[in-house]
Amino acid sequence: GAGVSQSPRYKVAKRGQDVALRCDPISGHVSLFWYQQALGQGPEFLTYFQNEAQLDKSGLPSDRFFAERPEGSVSTLKIQRTQQEDSAVYLCASSLGDLRPYNEQFFGPGTRLTVL
Amino acid sequence: AQKVTQAQTEISVVEKEDVTLDCVYETRDTTYYLFWYKQPPSGELVFLIRRNSFDEQNEISGRYSWNFQKSTSSFNFTITASQVVDSAVYFCALSPIGNAGNMLTFGGGTRLMVKP
Repeated sequence: GAGVSQSPRYKVAKRGQDVALRCDPISGHVSLFWYQQALGQGPEFLTYFQNEAQLDKSGLPSDRFFAERPEGSVSTLKIQRTQQEDSAVYLCASSLGDLRPYNEQFFGPGTRLTVL
Repeated sequence: AQKVTQAQTEISVVEKEDVTLDCVYETRDTTYYLFWYKQPPSGELVFLIRRNSFDEQNEISGRYSWNFQKSTSSFNFTITASQVVDSAVYFCALSPIGNAGNMLTFGGGTRLMVKP
């Protein structure tokens, strides 16, 4: 079946522009995660949704970052007034999110954002 | 707070050599999961293994083996008889057990280059 998809795969923005990154999780997956991976570093957690509820946004680096998942499926990560330090790969992951102790996260291919 | 340290940023070996990637972690949780992921040049994160903190048995899967030592908070990964296709960035990660938001804390990654 289809995996996690993200669009666009590449985005170039001028400093100060707003961008929106889309994540389509695996159908039926309740949990959705966003991670930011700067060049040469490991992914860092940004935010987590269970259905449409944003349960943890502790990793969002500033109030310029905003994520939503209004219908509990597709999610959008929006970055306002982009800065050069926002340049990174943004990874989305989804999982079943049921009551088992662990739900494997399936990662998308990422969106590479370059801010000029 | 959780932290994962991969002290080796880059390792270069010649094909057929054995190589061990080190991972040291810190957590206040008494129960947790540990992971290894592979990130080839294409960028997608590929899940390799998950171990829970209850089980310190070493695991072997083909040319891959993992050594989990709770006493030293380490979860090392060995590739036997390395191949050029093993060239990638490898990430060690940590996650709590017991909540639906199993956010992953990643290390900084180790870039492995296997030369023919």
